[in-house]
Amino acid sequence: DAGVIQSPRHEVTEMGQEVTLRCKPISGHNSLFWYRQTMMRGLELLIYFNNNVPIDDSGMPEDRFSAKMPNASFSTLKIQPSEPRDSAVYFCASSSEGTSGRAEQYFGPGTRLTVT
Amino acid sequence: KNQVEQSPQSLIILEGKNCTLQCNYTVSPFSNLRWYKQDTGRGPVSLTIMTFSENTKSNGRYTATLDADTKQSSLHITASQLSDSASYICVVGARDTPLVFGKGTRLSVIA
Repeated sequence: DAGVIQSPRHEVTEMGQEVTLRCKPISGHNSLFWYRQTMMRGLELLIYFNNNVPIDDSGMPEDRFSAKMPNASFSTLKIQPSEPRDSAVYFCASSSEGTSGRAEQYFGPGTRLTVT
Repeated sequence: KNQVEQSPQSLIILEGKNCTLQCNYTVSPFSNLRWYKQDTGRGPVSLTIMTFSENTKSNGRYTATLDADTKQSSLHITASQLSDSASYICVVGARDTPLVFGKGTRLSVIA
């Protein structure tokens, strides 16, 4: 199994531009999570999906952020317009169970976003 | 408020030595506690998962303990190796709510 796949691995963009991050979860997993990691705040959950349905998006910082999961094998996180304070590493993770179960969450390699 | 606090923030030890990382949490209702290892530039990787009824779990040279009464956990690393240099993140799961992450302990093992 290739694990969780994220693209791009690095993204540098100018303030105001639209950014789209992509994730392919592990086949057979029914839960998908988007996280943001910064030095100051550590890992923060942005949104998670169960069976392609968004369950909790309370971590999404503002309306500039949106996430979709059109099918079980693909999800996107979009930032429009991007701002310098969005610079962070964005991780996607997948699991065979929801957050409170014992199932492992498997993280992708992350996308390092830099907004200038 | 659900919180996970880790200490120390960073730690430097000599290769071959043991060390213990601490985690205190105020997450309720408690479901499980996880320790993750995150190498620089990579995603976190799970080391252990413990539920309420488990008070210790080992994974090779890593041993995690859990005291659900005091809401404390520790991760003990035995005979450290250079490859143990990483951030170690304590994560607590509560029923029906997302995982709560600590900010991690940055461990550096030097020769």
